[in-house]
Amino acid sequence: ETGVTQSPTHLIKTRGQQVTLRCSSQSGHNTVSWYQQALGQGPQFIFQYYREEENGRGNFPPRFSGLQFPNYSSELNVNALELDDSALYLCASSLPLAGVRTDTQYFGPGTRLTVL
Amino acid sequence: QKEVEQNSGPLSVPEGAIASLNCTYSDRVSQSFFWYRQYSGKSPELIMSIYSNGDKEDGRFTAQLNKASQYVSLLIRDSQPSDSATYLCAARKAAGNKLTFGGGTRVLVKP
Repeated sequence: ETGVTQSPTHLIKTRGQQVTLRCSSQSGHNTVSWYQQALGQGPQFIFQYYREEENGRGNFPPRFSGLQFPNYSSELNVNALELDDSALYLCASSLPLAGVRTDTQYFGPGTRLTVL
Repeated sequence: QKEVEQNSGPLSVPEGAIASLNCTYSDRVSQSFFWYRQYSGKSPELIMSIYSNGDKEDGRFTAQLNKASQYVSLLIRDSQPSDSATYLCAARKAAGNKLTFGGGTRVLVKP
């Protein structure tokens, strides 16, 4: 167990709907990164939040947005869902320290999103 | 060219044998490398991290890094059926940065 939790576990939506996924980081971790993992592929970086600010974004359209709260938990919002958004959504928490290479990202159990 | 590449497998090994997994990366700026294990339907679980050239051992696992060749490998000794999973290689440019993953190698350990 990594101490990172995500909700919900599974979700089924229809095309065009909106969805919010939630992540609680490991105690003491101030950074949350979100990844999308399509079936049979490696995780793809969506964005990262550090101390409530977006700190890097991957090649995802603006309909993917996020938030980080003062307790460092985070939300991923996806608007206008498309069939290709069906995937496992993973959040990972970490505690990066300046000049230290050894911070590690620990993954939550993921949310399986199915778009019909 | 993908930033991180892995052979998709499956890599089939008999129980008790050594499984050898390879990963190459294209960005020379990458500093840190990680191996994650992912069971079907589950999230990635960290096995090893490596930052310096050479070997790093942890139990039955050994990670090897060769920055000149832009190559990372993972050896699993005394492979067990419970090692059957997909192994993901990830690279990172600096502390706190995103992880860039390869597509994963599926490993099947046969009793």
